[in-house]
Amino acid sequence: KAGVTQTPRYLIKTRGQQVTLSCSPISGHRSVSWYQQTPGQGLQFLFEYFSETQRNKGNFPGRFSGRQFSNSRSEMNVSTLELGDSALYLCASSLAIALAGYNEQFFGPGTRLTVL
Amino acid sequence: KQEVTQIPAALSVPEGENLVLNCSFTDSAIYNLQWFRQDPGKGLTSLLLIQSSQREQTSGRLNASLDKSSGRSTLYIAASQPGDSATYLCAVSVYTGNQFYFGTGTSLTVIP
Repeated sequence: KAGVTQTPRYLIKTRGQQVTLSCSPISGHRSVSWYQQTPGQGLQFLFEYFSETQRNKGNFPGRFSGRQFSNSRSEMNVSTLELGDSALYLCASSLAIALAGYNEQFFGPGTRLTVL
Repeated sequence: KQEVTQIPAALSVPEGENLVLNCSFTDSAIYNLQWFRQDPGKGLTSLLLIQSSQREQTSGRLNASLDKSSGRSTLYIAASQPGDSATYLCAVSVYTGNQFYFGTGTSLTVIP
């Protein structure tokens, strides 16, 4: 079974630009979550989508947005990029809601975003 | 807000040693706890998931325990190998969604 895939793997952008990252979950998984990882803050939750609906949202500004398509693929968008947005963006998929044992998270390889 | 702490931040051991990594969390009302490893520049690899009703899980040389009442989990690695060198992260979910709170990780180096 194929794992979680993320594209692109690397991105270089300049301040003020916008960027779109893509995530394809494991087949059959309906939940997709996004995380930002930086050396200073560690892994921080951005948002989660389940059946095309945003179900949870972390404490990030409105410049960070996402969506999920009917095939469970998800995209996240960051507008008006800032230097501090440089990070590894990780996508995770899981089978269903947090019924005991059914929300094991499987992560993709990440997208390394550098903002100059 | 859930706070997750991992101690120690870094650990260096000779090959063959057994070792324990610690994870503590402030809100005991968790749904699940999951341990991951992360190799430099890579994504996270799931190691073990412990359901809130369980006390431990085992996979090969790995054993994870969970004590919800004290807000603690440990990851035991038996007979460590150089290939175990990585950063180990624990994460807890607290709601009926999939929002996980992560610790800052323990960087493990196993010396041949």
